[in-house]
Amino acid sequence: DAGVTQSPTHLIKTRGQHVTLRCSPISGHKSVSWYQQVLGQGPQFIFQYYEKEERGRGNFPDRFSARQFPNYSSELNVNALLLGDSALYLCASSLAGNYGYTFGSGTRLTVV
Amino acid sequence: AQKITQTQPGMFVQEKEAVTLDCTHDTSDPSYGLFWYKQPSSGEMIFLIYQGSYDQQNATEGRYSLNFQKARKSANLVISASQLGDSAMYFCAMREGGTSYGKLTFGQGTILTVHP
Repeated sequence: DAGVTQSPTHLIKTRGQHVTLRCSPISGHKSVSWYQQVLGQGPQFIFQYYEKEERGRGNFPDRFSARQFPNYSSELNVNALLLGDSALYLCASSLAGNYGYTFGSGTRLTVV
Repeated sequence: AQKITQTQPGMFVQEKEAVTLDCTHDTSDPSYGLFWYKQPSSGEMIFLIYQGSYDQQNATEGRYSLNFQKARKSANLVISASQLGDSAMYFCAMREGGTSYGKLTFGQGTILTVHP
């Protein structure tokens, strides 16, 4: 089985630009979550989608948005990029039940 | 907001010895789940072990076990027979509530270095 796949793996953007990050969950997983991990810190929750509906939102500005598609893949969009948005963005999918969330390898975003 | 505390920024252990990584939380919700993840330098978060608040026994997964002390709000990870490949960042995380799809709140992490 393929794991959680994220694209792109690395990205360099300029301040003020827009970025779209993509995530494909494990087959059968209907929940997708997004996390931001700044260097040296633990991941911070951004969004969670379950069955294509937003089920949770972290303390992030409205510049951050996301959506989940009918095939359960997801996109994270960030507008008006700031230097502080530079981070590793992790996507996690999960199956109903008390299983661990499976994370992708992440997208390393650098804003210059 | 709930908080996960990992008080050890870095830990060192000799190969083949056991090591304990500390984790405490402050939730008042009686239903929660605690997770431990390993993050090597490649960045991927690797699931290690899970403990539910209502589980009667401490969780074990191979060389990983949880020392779960509910009243003390702690869930320390024990790695037995450390290997060089165990060198990585380790995160404790919590999901509050009884749902199966809640958000995870992470601690700051502990860097584990295994010496030969």
